[in-house]
Amino acid sequence: DGGITQSPKYLFRKEGQNVTLSCEQNLNHDAMYWYRQDPGQGLRLIYYSQIVNDFQKGDIAEGYSVSREKKESFPLTVTSAQKNPTAFYLCATSLTSGSYNEQFFGPGTRLTVL
Amino acid sequence: KNQVEQSPQSLIILEGKNCTLQCNYTVSPFSNLRWYKQDTGRGPVSLTIMTFSENTKSNGRYTATLDADTKQSSLHITASQLSDSASYICVVTPGREYGNKLVFGAGTILRVKS
Repeated sequence: DGGITQSPKYLFRKEGQNVTLSCEQNLNHDAMYWYRQDPGQGLRLIYYSQIVNDFQKGDIAEGYSVSREKKESFPLTVTSAQKNPTAFYLCATSLTSGSYNEQFFGPGTRLTVL
Repeated sequence: KNQVEQSPQSLIILEGKNCTLQCNYTVSPFSNLRWYKQDTGRGPVSLTIMTFSENTKSNGRYTATLDADTKQSSLHITASQLSDSASYICVVTPGREYGNKLVFGAGTILRVKS
C-alpha cells in the first residue's frame, strides 16, 4: 500500500447522510482515482483526477463528488443520492495518467449503510 | 464493449501444488495487461505487466503469459504457499484514446489449504 493512506478503514452511515472518505498520498503522483468494489464484480471507476484542480467522472459517478485542491489529497464524498453505497472503496494513484503507468492502490475503506 | 472475463471464479488447492488462472478479454485496441493480487480487505498489488509484444513475464513463483492474437492471458502459480490465498485480478489497459481507464476482471479467489 506504501505511501497511500485511506481513512477510515471502516465507516458506517445512516441512510440520508453524506460521508467523506479520505485518500492521501506522499508518492508525488499527479493522477489519483477512486474505485468501487462489489462482490463478484470488477473494480469500477467513480472519479479520477489527472492534475490538481481538475477531475473527471468515471463510469459510475452518480451520487458521488470529489475535490482535488492539493496534489496529495483526493477526498470522495458519498452523498445521499447514491442509492446503494455499501461497498469497498479503493483509492489509487499513478505517476501520470499515461497508459503504461502502474496504478498503486490504498488499503481501502469499507462503507456500510445501516 | 470492453470486457475482461476470468476463470475459474474460485479455486481451492493444496499447499505445494501448482495452479493456472485464466483471463480472456475483448478490449481493443490494447495497451497492456496486468495481474494484481488482492489480499482480503486490502488494496490490489501488481504482480506482472505485459505489453502486446510480450508473451511471458515472471515474478518469482508467478508466471504470466499473453496471447494477443486470441486475447487470452494466464497466471501460473508454482509450488503454492498458504500466503498465496487471495483474489487475483486481471486488468487490461485500452489504447491511448481511452486514457488510463483500466478494465478490471472480477477476479479469481484462490484458497491454498495445508
